[in-house]
Amino acid sequence: GQQLNQSPQSMFIQEGEDVSMNCTSSSIFNTWLWYKQDPGEGPVLLIALYKAGELTSNGRLTAQFGITRKDSFLNISASIPSDVGIYFCAGHAKGSNYKLTFGKGTLLTVNP
Amino acid sequence: SQTIHQWPATLVQPVGSPLSLECTVEGTSNPNLYWYRQAAGRGLQLLFYSVGIGQISSEVPQNLSASRPQDRQFILSSKKLLLSDSGFYLCAWSVTSINEQFFGPGTRLTVL
Repeated sequence: GQQLNQSPQSMFIQEGEDVSMNCTSSSIFNTWLWYKQDPGEGPVLLIALYKAGELTSNGRLTAQFGITRKDSFLNISASIPSDVGIYFCAGHAKGSNYKLTFGKGTLLTVNP
Repeated sequence: SQTIHQWPATLVQPVGSPLSLECTVEGTSNPNLYWYRQAAGRGLQLLFYSVGIGQISSEVPQNLSASRPQDRQFILSSKKLLLSDSGFYLCAWSVTSINEQFFGPGTRLTVL
């Protein structure tokens, strides 16, 4: 089955710094999704990408669908304390029915 | 707008006891529905998904089962809980033609 490698596993940054995380796949995906999960809550969809090369922003967040269709990255600019949480990438591969493959998450800590 | 509910929010059960977790979706018809388990290691494991009433696909063999008695209701059950069933259980829904999944608030299950 498909596998997603998400890196880094964790990040400790100062408030105001920019953050970058990425996911790579062993398979070609036709959709990339980025989620954020706060402690004790369900993941919330941040950005959805459907085309190779697509670059999409949501406020201070920017994500890109890699040209090879096997990778995606998420950038957070000017981090603030409420950015703390776990960020997950997820991808959908053709032929996988309605199932998503999830990365293991990046734990982000922002020091004020 | 669509909303997804899960209950209970938290549950502490003894080993060998039965389990019933419920998930309902409002504001949409004929959604795809999913059950995930998230262990302390953060990864999301797909347990079951359903594309319609009475249609259940199991991803991981285990002592859990799922049912979909109504279009927007998804139930996760067990006849006898194991210690290893402890975790954070998440329900999600998606529109059949789109890969984006939307998660509920989750149920924290502790088996003692």
